Amino acid sequence: GESVGLHLPTLSVQEGDNSIINCAYSNSASDYFIWYKQESGKGPQFIIDIRSNMDKRQGQRVTVLLNKTVKHLSLQIAATQPGDSAVYFCAESPRAGGTSYGKLTFGQGTILTVHP
Amino acid sequence: DGGITQSPKYLFRKEGQNVTLSCEQNLNHDAMYWYRQDPGQGLRLIYYSQIVNDFQKGDIAEGYSVSREKKESFPLTVTSAQKNPTAFYLCASSMARDRGGQPQHFGDGTRLSIL
Repeated sequence: GESVGLHLPTLSVQEGDNSIINCAYSNSASDYFIWYKQESGKGPQFIIDIRSNMDKRQGQRVTVLLNKTVKHLSLQIAATQPGDSAVYFCAESPRAGGTSYGKLTFGQGTILTVHP
Repeated sequence: DGGITQSPKYLFRKEGQNVTLSCEQNLNHDAMYWYRQDPGQGLRLIYYSQIVNDFQKGDIAEGYSVSREKKESFPLTVTSAQKNPTAFYLCASSMARDRGGQPQHFGDGTRLSIL
């Protein structure tokens, strides 16, 4: 029979509000973190990245925060617009030196819906 | 414009048939990757290649095969051994891993269904 997908976390906001999307990771050896936006029927689009030697990085309307103590990553979107509606994925990559270096491990994703 | 091109956008597979998904990049990236995405889920790594003529299995390689004869191309074959091939397949590329963590750039995917 048809497989049933998991229920993704969802976040609904009003246009103009700030959005915060959270991501927990489990690998303490992760050194590089990245956020992607995926619209329906398209490939993931790079938003912003951060390395483990930083706690915060800002882009245009977006900020990524990294808390290594609790292994938590967040994406803040300022003045959210209807065009921001999509699925957002976090991904992590381990440090150099192992065979897994360069590979990204993706989170499940969060559905962001922005209401006009 | 530089980017990653996946073709076809939609593909149908008959019982017992092998099908090949194309991925071409003109970003001069050394590394290329194939992912599978099922509804409501994240991306799972099938195969990846850090350099021409070399590739490694990812987390779900069974039933798939790849080749990397050219830097620009990384085709994925979904074999008849893959019993549940219906999914959205995504190809990505990135700069060489010895430059540190690098963002992967994605194509717009191929949706594969069983006839």
